[in-house]
Amino acid sequence: RKEVEQDPGPFNVPEGATVAFNCTYSNSASQSFFWYRQDCRKEPKLLMSVYSSGNEDGRFTAQLNRASQYISLLIRDSKLSDSATYLCVVNPNNAGNMLTFGGGTRLMVKP
Amino acid sequence: GAGVSQSPRYKVAKRGQDVALRCDPISGHVSLFWYQQALGQGPEFLTYFQNEAQLDKSGLPSDRFFAERPEGSVSTLKIQRTQQEDSAVYLCASSLSTGPTYEQYFGPGTRLTVT
Repeated sequence: RKEVEQDPGPFNVPEGATVAFNCTYSNSASQSFFWYRQDCRKEPKLLMSVYSSGNEDGRFTAQLNRASQYISLLIRDSKLSDSATYLCVVNPNNAGNMLTFGGGTRLMVKP
Repeated sequence: GAGVSQSPRYKVAKRGQDVALRCDPISGHVSLFWYQQALGQGPEFLTYFQNEAQLDKSGLPSDRFFAERPEGSVSTLKIQRTQQEDSAVYLCASSLSTGPTYEQYFGPGTRLTVT
């Protein structure tokens, strides 16, 4: 079983739609969680950190459920420019070194 | 300011050749990471430096992989006797310091193809 699992998609949604991604992680001791965005043939970039209380950044909302060991990302009012792969990322030991990435979920927003 | 840079951006190697991939982190960044990303997969951790010290190399897939950061800035990832399964994008990332509050900034990667 992979340490961080995501549905690879693709999720094909029309502009303006709301879309949600989930991921699960296996290491219950993990403390830090993130969503990264990766455009085709580009490097990953931090989208947002995920906090226990949940957090929102504009159209993006991230939530963490420690009991069930899953993390979610909600995108409201999807834009064409949101088309990308979204990577769920866990820091398994909270020491700030390695990041463990999920396989990514591909989102395609259509006009 | 300048981000993380990597060179070469693309490398084609014949099976059995040695390759060296370079990473220039953001100036002043203490931590440097190497990741390997196979096609259609997420990045996988290879190794981590804090200044010149290699603190974690648990992700290196075999003893053919070697990384160094002798002066605590530029890093080189060397792969000896390349195999087809080494074909991937090699990503370098740096962060200002250690700890989960410090964002890792990724370079554009080196796409290695072993023929």
